[in-house]
Amino acid sequence: DGGITQSPKYLFRKEGQNVTLSCEQNLNHDAMYWYRQDPGQGLRLIYYSQIVNDFQKGDIAEGYSVSREKKESFPLTVTSAQKNPTAFYLCASRFGQGVFEKLFFGSGTQLSVL
Amino acid sequence: AQKVTQAQTEISVVEKEDVTLDCVYETRDTTYYLFWYKQPPSGELVFLIRRNSFDEQNEISGRYSWNFQKSTSSFNFTITASQVVDSAVYFCALGAGGSRLTFGEGTQLTVNP
Repeated sequence: DGGITQSPKYLFRKEGQNVTLSCEQNLNHDAMYWYRQDPGQGLRLIYYSQIVNDFQKGDIAEGYSVSREKKESFPLTVTSAQKNPTAFYLCASRFGQGVFEKLFFGSGTQLSVL
Repeated sequence: AQKVTQAQTEISVVEKEDVTLDCVYETRDTTYYLFWYKQPPSGELVFLIRRNSFDEQNEISGRYSWNFQKSTSSFNFTITASQVVDSAVYFCALGAGGSRLTFGEGTQLTVNP
């Protein structure tokens, strides 16, 4: 079945540690996105990539980094510079770059700080 | 700038009641797209509907219906005869210019048996 796979489902970060969230899609989609979801705040865009080896900052990119070396993969690293990383992280993709294209989402990763 | 407002943070109804989720948007673009997504407890957002700014026809899909009114910049979502399985967070989103979507803050719907 085609879809988006996020792992792990739960992740714990120690103080000063970098952690990486995985996102893989087999939908042959060009564009991929990372969103952060906090209670009562909806979804906020962290980073997005419209093509391999290229990505752009979203609205809350500080303390995060990404890479897009393969079309299928768009990992997100939460660095130690992100002081409030506890949140639910959602990865999404879509076929084209136009805003009319619907997004497909993964099942998310809940990141918590120890 | 784009903005989406879902004023209802939480709604609680009893099964079989009808419920309407409100969505108000702001954009200066004349061409734009509106979406509704459902987020069940599993966490994955599921696409429900897309509407473009040139199509103001209401849409009905089973127990779901959507009312798009450009005059009031609203795109409301009604569930008829709600069921417990409808319990989820529902997001309204706006796509205008560029390639980003702007999401509302979501409405938590709880349908009690």
